[in-house]
Amino acid sequence: KNQVEQSPQSLIILEGKNCTLQCNYTVSPFSNLRWYKQDTGRGPVSLTIMTFSENTKSNGRYTATLDADTKQSSLHITASQLSDSASYICVVSGLTGGGNKLTFGTGTQLKVEL
Amino acid sequence: NAGVTQTPKFRILKIGQSMTLQCAQDMNHNYMYWYRQDPGMGLKLIYYSVGAGITDKGEVPNGYNVSRSTTEDFPLRLELAAPSQTSVYFCATLRGTSGVTEQYFGPGTRLTVT
Repeated sequence: KNQVEQSPQSLIILEGKNCTLQCNYTVSPFSNLRWYKQDTGRGPVSLTIMTFSENTKSNGRYTATLDADTKQSSLHITASQLSDSASYICVVSGLTGGGNKLTFGTGTQLKVEL
Repeated sequence: NAGVTQTPKFRILKIGQSMTLQCAQDMNHNYMYWYRQDPGMGLKLIYYSVGAGITDKGEVPNGYNVSRSTTEDFPLRLELAAPSQTSVYFCATLRGTSGVTEQYFGPGTRLTVT
């Protein structure tokens, strides 16, 4: 069964600090991996999308890495800001399943404090 | 360009009542999805559509129905509402049908069944 597991479940950091969120998956065959940011009360918004051949991808202060061999990804947030407080969701897309090929993780709830 | 819109934003239903959650998009995307998100859980796929006139069940379709008569609209129907359907419902579209595809979410509908 395709699964996506994220850790930690929740995280509190001080403003200005860095943090790294983890994602392990068992989706096969693999197509791409996405990281979404979901603010409270809003729909998820895409941060990065990486294919099999990409090891790292940045979007401003967000840097995602992918190791397709070990089926692991991480999202590194640099110099955190209060506005980074949100849930970060890892989503893996398989090659099969037609429209039903996205598997969602349960998310890491990040809180950035002063 | 409004993207993905959902109505209503909030709704309280009594057990056994019915309602339709509306979803509309103006991006001409063929793929559309309905997800539910329970507290602390990942998004679960209810139904999806790969184009007008075509719908298919996702992971948790029981208690729901959908239709897709146009590319723009993808309403979700709840018949005989139950407390287990208390959740936040997200509609989403998918740009592209192969390779790296971007997914866009609506703002969500928060439904409470009492």
